[in-house]
Amino acid sequence: EIVLTQSPGTLSLSPGERATLSCRASQSVSSSYLAWYQQKPGQAPRLLIYGASSRATGIPDRFSGSGSGTDFTLTISRLEPEDFAVYYCQQYGSSPQLTFGGGTKVEIK
Amino acid sequence: EVQLVESGGGLVQPGGSLRLSCAASGFTFSSYSMNWVRQAPGKGLEWVSYISSSSSTIYYADSVKGRFTISRDNAKNSLYLQMNSLRDEDTAVYYCARLNRGIYGMDVWGQGTTVTVSS
Repeated sequence: EIVLTQSPGTLSLSPGERATLSCRASQSVSSSYLAWYQQKPGQAPRLLIYGASSRATGIPDRFSGSGSGTDFTLTISRLEPEDFAVYYCQQYGSSPQLTFGGGTKVEIK
Repeated sequence: EVQLVESGGGLVQPGGSLRLSCAASGFTFSSYSMNWVRQAPGKGLEWVSYISSSSSTIYYADSVKGRFTISRDNAKNSLYLQMNSLRDEDTAVYYCARLNRGIYGMDVWGQGTTVTVSS
């Protein structure tokens, strides 16, 4: 069973700063099957990144993804006020079929 | 407009049953695999179940296996989740989400429906 561990649990930053979020898998994950989502309070999640590094439709280029194997990273180059939210990584295809990480909350410092 | 709308949530006693529905519009529903994902109050996202476009392949999380049944009716553009033997820990917002197999990401989500299991 693949477990995704996200760190840190909470990231306290100011607008304009750079955010670096980590997602570590207990076993190797195909880069094609690693995605990142953003969720704001009271809203459904929104797909940000798929295939570890490709931005979904309409996602600003300040969001970028990287990594391979067991270590993946979501970077927000310059935080905008609307970026303060919870971020989840997700893998597809390995037992269990689909898994989410525990999430990283990016909060205003 | 591409849209998913869940319904069927509510308050149910432990051991009870509930059927959730998800109505799809704005896209060719029969071409897409679908998922149910839930989120307990104050917790993270938990994948619940997957169904392929033709219903030929179905998966469940261990936490719901044997109690929940996913199904779909492509003629009605609808996805379902039959939930039996409900437990307190099934209390959550339940989302349906479209899996885009071209990118292996869930690119369309509903607004969610709330299930509360309590006596």
